Amino acid sequence: EIVMTQSPATLSVSPGERATLSCRASQSVSSKLAWYQQKPGQAPRLLIYEVSTRATGIPARFSGSGSGTEFTLTISSLQSEDFAVYYCQQYNNWPPITFGQGTRLEIK
Amino acid sequence: EVQLVESGGGLVQPGGSLRLSCAASGFTFNDYWMSWVRQAPGKGLECVANIKQDGSEKHYVDSVKGRFSISRDNAGNSLYLQMNSLRAEDTAVYYCVRGHYQLEVWGQGTTVTVSS
Repeated sequence: EIVMTQSPATLSVSPGERATLSCRASQSVSSKLAWYQQKPGQAPRLLIYEVSTRATGIPARFSGSGSGTEFTLTISSLQSEDFAVYYCQQYNNWPPITFGQGTRLEIK
Repeated sequence: EVQLVESGGGLVQPGGSLRLSCAASGFTFNDYWMSWVRQAPGKGLECVANIKQDGSEKHYVDSVKGRFSISRDNAGNSLYLQMNSLRAEDTAVYYCVRGHYQLEVWGQGTTVTVSS
């Protein structure tokens, strides 16, 4: 089973600034990497798949990059609605798909 | 509108059983793999089971193998999760999800609490 590790656990950023979240896989997942956003009391929402493809309706300020074992989610200019928990997930070595433990993005 | 609505959660004693249901609408249900993903209180996400479009292939996370069973009714656009021999560590919100690679559409979740 591939272990996904996200860093940092908590990230404090001011509105309007850029946020960079990291995700590392215990072995290569090729380009089979997705990102999700979860707000309190809500279900997760798919943001990005195949490392860098935005899901339907996701704003362009969200972007993904990386390959192999190192991945990054960048939010270019933080809006108030972006403060949430973010999870990465691999689906290259399946089953099972596996998630990172999450990064909490909070207002600085 | 694409929608997944779960039901069937509740409080159950350790060793008990529960059956979760998920009603799908707004898309062609039998075109998609479907999954159940759970989230324990204050914890991360874990995919517990998924099922192929025609039900011919099913996969389970090790912690639920032999206890949980996923099934689907394509005529009724429904997904199910039969949970037996429930344990305290099965306590979680259970989400019905479209997909098995990237998880595209999520229901609102149903809460399962295993406690005496």
